[in-house]
Amino acid sequence: KAGVTQTPRYLIKTRGQQVTLSCSPISGHRSVSWYQQTPGQGLQFLFEYFSETQRNKGNFPGRFSGRQFSNSRSEMNVSTLELGDSALYLCASRAGGLANNEQFFGPGTRLTVL
Amino acid sequence: GQQLNQSPQSMFIQEGEDVSMNCTSSSIFNTWLWYKQDPGEGPVLLIALYKAGELTSNGRLTAQFGITRKDSFLNISASIPSDVGIYFCAASDSNYQLIWGAGTKLIIKP
Repeated sequence: KAGVTQTPRYLIKTRGQQVTLSCSPISGHRSVSWYQQTPGQGLQFLFEYFSETQRNKGNFPGRFSGRQFSNSRSEMNVSTLELGDSALYLCASRAGGLANNEQFFGPGTRLTVL
Repeated sequence: GQQLNQSPQSMFIQEGEDVSMNCTSSSIFNTWLWYKQDPGEGPVLLIALYKAGELTSNGRLTAQFGITRKDSFLNISASIPSDVGIYFCAASDSNYQLIWGAGTKLIIKP
């Protein structure tokens, strides 16, 4: 079974621009979560989608948004980029049943904002 | 809100040494997970624990779900260079949302 894939792997943007990141979960997984990780920091939870609906949301500004498609693929969008948005953005999928908590991560998208 | 206190923050060890790290909280959890992250990569699931008191091994790694359901530890025996990385604990509450520790950075002394 293929793992979680994220595209692109690396991205360079300038302040004020917007960016869209993509995540394809493990086949059969219906839940996708997004995390932001800055250098030396832990995982900051952004949001979780399940069956095209946002199930949980972290404490990030409205510039960060996401969506999930009927095939469970998910996208994350950041508008009006700021320098502080430079980070590794990680996507994780799980089977989706609330009792199944094992998340499997993709390799991440490294976003640099200049 | 709920928090996981993961310690130590970093560890310098000699190759061959045993390593121990833990996560504690004032909240009760139903699941404990341990992950390892290599530089520039996503975290990889090492061990999942679902029952209070459960002790589970994965090769040289052993993890336990604390009997009070408020803590967990991870041990690595006879460390090798490829053990270097950041180890994260994560725990799930009754709402099945994952809470994450801040990570333990493992560094091998030259």
